[in-house]
Amino acid sequence: DTEVTQTPKHLVMGMTNKKSLKCEQHMGHRAMYWYKQKAKKPPELMFVYSYEKLSINESVPSRFSPECPNSSLLNLHLHALQPEDSALYLCASSQEIGGTYEQYFGPGTRLTVT
Amino acid sequence: DAKTTQPTSMDCAEGRAANLPCNHSTISGNEYVYWYRQIHSQGPQYIIHGLKNNETNEMASLIITEDRKSSTLILPHATLRDTAVYYCIVKGMAGKSTFGDGTTLTVKP
Repeated sequence: DTEVTQTPKHLVMGMTNKKSLKCEQHMGHRAMYWYKQKAKKPPELMFVYSYEKLSINESVPSRFSPECPNSSLLNLHLHALQPEDSALYLCASSQEIGGTYEQYFGPGTRLTVT
Repeated sequence: DAKTTQPTSMDCAEGRAANLPCNHSTISGNEYVYWYRQIHSQGPQYIIHGLKNNETNEMASLIITEDRKSSTLILPHATLRDTAVYYCIVKGMAGKSTFGDGTTLTVKP
């Protein structure tokens, strides 16, 4: 199984809402990533978890809160978002954070903030 | 991690080889070159990676120049399904993968 799943596929939320994005992999990977991708732009790294601990935070605003409850699951909690946060949110995993391991990406969650 | 430069867009005829260049003139000795592609509205897909030797797998070939300042991804027989944005990334052993702007490859019938 080389699949990374993300739910929901689409999400529309108001600026006062709280919602969560979910990512799951069962490949035994110990590194998991969140990326944000605006239209016609490359993915931008947000967070990296290694062995369930936050390893990299790319100065992401606190209205985005990641969580890694176990080695297979990665969440992104959203609160008080702005319309400019509307984007495709991609989750990825790799065997380790270092080394030459490739990343496996999920299909993404398309988020619209109204 | 080193920065990469790629052409914004390229066209290729179906059935012909697609050669996608990437410049990474500031690459360090222990940094690898990775290629991913992203088909419209999907997550990026890993294609291939290499350090200094040429590499080939079932999807593509990667040619890295001897000075390692540039590389070329070759799709030997492009199909319409290869139409995508192709990203060249330079990554160290402990580094992050920073995506550049990529090349939009359009395969035409």
